[in-house]
Amino acid sequence: GEDVEQSLFLSVREGDSSVINCTYTDSSSTYLYWYKQEPGAGLQLLTYIFSNMDMKQDQRLTVLLNKKDKHLSLRIADTQTGDSAIYFCAEKNNAGNMLTFGGGTRLMVKP
Amino acid sequence: AAGVIQSPRHLIKEKRETATLKCYPIPRHDTVYWYQQGPGQDPQFLISFYEKMQSDKGSIPDRFSAQQFSDYHSELNMSSLELGDSALYFCASSAEPGQGIDEQFFGPGTRLTVL
Repeated sequence: GEDVEQSLFLSVREGDSSVINCTYTDSSSTYLYWYKQEPGAGLQLLTYIFSNMDMKQDQRLTVLLNKKDKHLSLRIADTQTGDSAIYFCAEKNNAGNMLTFGGGTRLMVKP
Repeated sequence: AAGVIQSPRHLIKEKRETATLKCYPIPRHDTVYWYQQGPGQDPQFLISFYEKMQSDKGSIPDRFSAQQFSDYHSELNMSSLELGDSALYFCASSAEPGQGIDEQFFGPGTRLTVL
């Protein structure tokens, strides 16, 4: 079955870059997503990447996908205190339209 | 822009009671997904509906049932509640299931506490 894993916690200083990593096991993943969840709030889609791409850049966000190693990363440039949140990677495959989420990485940005 | 609406936002129930959670998708979205997020956990897919028919089923307990109505809103019915059912329940909607990115827009969630 699918399994998506992330490290639990990341702490960075304001202005630094943050890199959040995710590994998955399902080789039939079609799309991979990054969601942001702020305290007490819902899930906000930040960015996504199609499985036949290896990189996508969207303003301060860069997504890297290594399909061979089944490794996905999200780089946030010039991290701000407002970026403090839990970040979930998620994948979708051809078995259905549901998302399988990783355990989430709590990003703490120190001023 | 209109977003996914969930009601109630907070719900407190006793063990063995029943609960009904409602979800109103974004207008013109015909697909609804339900996810359960336990404390400190990642969201787990429960069930989804497309055009009022069940489309995918995940780890939804037999005590739970759900349906999608003619106006595309969905209800999650939970019976014989257990302490372990305490969680944040998210509803998401999408317009093009299985097509391209198929972005799922999430509601703010219903926090269910079972005492």
